[in-house]
This record gives sequence, structure tokens and C-alpha cells, in this order.
Amino acid sequence: GESVGLHLPTLSVQEGDNSIINCAYSNSASDYFIWYKQESGKGPQFIIDIRSNMDKRQGQRVTVLLNKTVKHLSLQIAATQPGDSAVYFCAENERDDKIIFGKGTRLHILP
Amino acid sequence: DAGVIQSPRHEVTEMGQEVTLRCKPISGHDYLFWYRQTMMRGLELLIYFNNNVPIDDSGMPEDRFSAKMPNASFSTLKIQPSEPRDSAVYFCASSLERTTRGSTGELFFGEGSRLTVL
Repeated sequence: GESVGLHLPTLSVQEGDNSIINCAYSNSASDYFIWYKQESGKGPQFIIDIRSNMDKRQGQRVTVLLNKTVKHLSLQIAATQPGDSAVYFCAENERDDKIIFGKGTRLHILP
Repeated sequence: DAGVIQSPRHEVTEMGQEVTLRCKPISGHDYLFWYRQTMMRGLELLIYFNNNVPIDDSGMPEDRFSAKMPNASFSTLKIQPSEPRDSAVYFCASSLERTTRGSTGELFFGEGSRLTVL
């Protein structure tokens, strides 16, 4: 079946550098994509979302890019900080309000 | 608002026992979701409700799993009988409809219920 997937399970980034977390999706009918952050022992927290009629959206230190041609989604975190260490999930809205999550990428910040 | 509240936070039980997980969504939210998280399979959607009505339960793994939402402020996920492979963290999340003014439709998650079946 169609699903959301991630390219890399673990990403290590030097503190202060920019992080880029990638995600591939296969359901062309999805119209809404979301990034969540999950810290150890907690539930996922919303970071930023983007609708399919957009290709870029910026938040505070984060940018989400959507490339519908190749069905690719990315999350860019500027000036990565120790507090950014977490698992990051992309998720898609398949239909109605059904939200399906990808497997997750662990972001590890190097001192 | 206190956010989504789940109980228990941790449960250890023996194979064959009944397990009931509970969730109190954020007041006023239209949707309630149950997810299961494991290292191997990530976050899996089990079932979700809209205005207390189950909309999609295609993610419920077997008949041993059942979920109810008797009112807008309470939901349960029951496993009977439980098996070791049910060991996971179970998350409840709630949201507003995206069509609601000012809503992104984002999911608000509880802290999760960690289940260990021996």
C-alpha cells in the first residue's frame, strides 16, 4: 500500500549547523503534510505543516519544502541546538483527517 | 487546558490478561486518534473517531483490540486477551477539524501509555 517513508533513520549534525531531514511520500492524493518532533518519553509535538498547493513554508528556525513532482518533503532546521535532539516524523493527511506517520529520523547533535 | 491525558502511564501485565487504556482528549476537540508506537513499525494509526463516532478502524490489528468513545471527553482502548507482541507505547491524540477557523488540524498527543506484556 502507499505509505510515508524516510530516507535516513539517524542524522548527526554539528551544533550550530543546519539540519535537513528528508521524507518521501507516495500517496499523490495527500493534500496536507506535517512535521512532528518527539523527545524521549514524550508524545510527538507539531512543528510545522504545509498544504499541497504550496512548495515552501517557513517558521521559527524551521522551513518545510514540498516537491510534488518527486513526492519529496524536507524539514530544514537552522542553527541546530542541543534542544533539537529528537526523533522527527513526517506525516501526511491521506483523506478526511486521517494522519499517517512515517518511520522517523533521529537527529543527534554533536557538541 | 491540561492537554490530552492518558492513563495508566505504565502497565506491566501477563499474557492473557485484559488491558484497558484510557484517554481524555482536549475539551472541544472533534477528533480522537489512537496510535501504537514500536521501534520496528513506528507510529501506527489504530483507529480514529470524529464526534465520538469511529471513522476508520482499519489499523486495529485483530479482534482482540477494541476502542470506544462513549462521550466527547473519554475514550478507551481495550486489548483482550493481551499478548507479548502487543508490548508498545500507545498514544492518544486529539484535534480540531482543519476547517475550523484558526485550526491547523494539528494533533495534540498525550504522554502515552507504555504497555509491557510478559
